[in-house]
Amino acid sequence: KQEVTQIPAALSVPEGENLVLNCSFTDSAIYNLQWFRQDPGKGLTSLLLIQSSQREQTSGRLNASLDKSSGRSTLYIAASQPGDSATYLCAVKGTSGTYKYIFGTGTRLKVLA
Amino acid sequence: NAGVTQTPKFRILKIGQSMTLQCAQDMNHNYMYWYRQDPGMGLKLIYYSVGAGITDKGEVPNGYNVSRSTTEDFPLRLELAAPSQTSVYFCASSPRDTGNTIYFGEGSWLTVV
Repeated sequence: KQEVTQIPAALSVPEGENLVLNCSFTDSAIYNLQWFRQDPGKGLTSLLLIQSSQREQTSGRLNASLDKSSGRSTLYIAASQPGDSATYLCAVKGTSGTYKYIFGTGTRLKVLA
Repeated sequence: NAGVTQTPKFRILKIGQSMTLQCAQDMNHNYMYWYRQDPGMGLKLIYYSVGAGITDKGEVPNGYNVSRSTTEDFPLRLELAAPSQTSVYFCASSPRDTGNTIYFGEGSWLTVV
């Protein structure tokens, strides 16, 4: 059974700092991995999607990496801003004959001005 | 651009009452999902559907029912509401292609008292 874990659960950093969020998963048989952002009281917005054959994806100040063999992904945020404050969730899409996304519990990020 | 639309956004139910959460998507996506998110937790899959007329259980289906009579709509029914069903419910959809992202609605906040 696939399990997805995110560490740390919460993080506070001063504005301008570079930071890394971690996501680990137990079953390496995945189609893809996604990172989402969730603002309070809102739904989830996809930030980056990494296919199982890819090693990383970049969008602006965000860079996500994937190491399937070790069951790990990282989300790197460069030059953090107060507007980056949100909860970040990762999710993996399995290959076991279904198309379900399994989510981690998220990292709650606060960027201090 | 409507995307995934959920109604209602907020609802208070009494124990034992029943209700239906509505979900509609206008992107012609084959796959649709219902998740629940409890405080500090990740998203748990309740039910999902890979096309009209086809539904299947997720991780936490007890106390819920779904139907998928059209591609666009995927209502979630709560029968005999219990306090344990107090949660935020998210509907989502994705295209058939496994490489594509998943789109979320804004969420429905349900309290059972």
